[in-house]
Amino acid sequence: KQEVTQIPAALSVPEGENLVLNCSFTDSAIYNLQWFRQDPGKGLTSLLLIQSSQREQTSGRLNASLDKSSGRSTLYIAASQPGDSATYLCAVRANNAGNMLTFGGGTRLMVKP
Amino acid sequence: NAGVTQTPKFQVLKTGQSMTLQCAQDMNHEYMSWYRQDPGMGLRLIHYSVGAGITDQGEVPNGYNVSRSTTEDFPLRLLSAAPSQTSVYFCASSPGQGGYEQYFGPGTRLTVT
Repeated sequence: KQEVTQIPAALSVPEGENLVLNCSFTDSAIYNLQWFRQDPGKGLTSLLLIQSSQREQTSGRLNASLDKSSGRSTLYIAASQPGDSATYLCAVRANNAGNMLTFGGGTRLMVKP
Repeated sequence: NAGVTQTPKFQVLKTGQSMTLQCAQDMNHEYMSWYRQDPGMGLRLIHYSVGAGITDQGEVPNGYNVSRSTTEDFPLRLLSAAPSQTSVYFCASSPGQGGYEQYFGPGTRLTVT
């Protein structure tokens, strides 16, 4: 069964720092991986989608990489801002699981002014 | 384009009551699904649908019922609410099965007393 782990569970950084959030998964037979942002009491906002054939995707200050063979993805946030404070979730879609996403537990990020 | 909408935002039920959580999307997406989010458990798939008239079970389907009579709507029914169903429920949609991004609604926070 696919398991997804996110480390660290919580992170507090001063504004302006570049930071890396980690996501690992146990079964490398994935179709794609999606990173989401969740603000307190809100829904999930899709940030980046990486297909299994891709190595990275970029959107503004965000860059996500995927190493399928080692079961890892990282989300890099450049020049962090207080508005980046949220919980970040990664989710993988396995090859044999239809469209079902398996989620990690999330990293709760606090960016201090 | 409203995306994925869910009603109600909050609901309190007594044990044994039934209710329907509504989900609608205006993107003409074929695939829709329901997840629940619980502390320490992450998000887990309850039921999903690959098109009007077609539904199937996810990881945690017990106590829930779904139907899909139109492309736009995918309601989730709680047949006889139990305290274990206290959770935040999210509806999601994507254009189809395959390497598509999935879009989530704002969630319904349900408390069963």
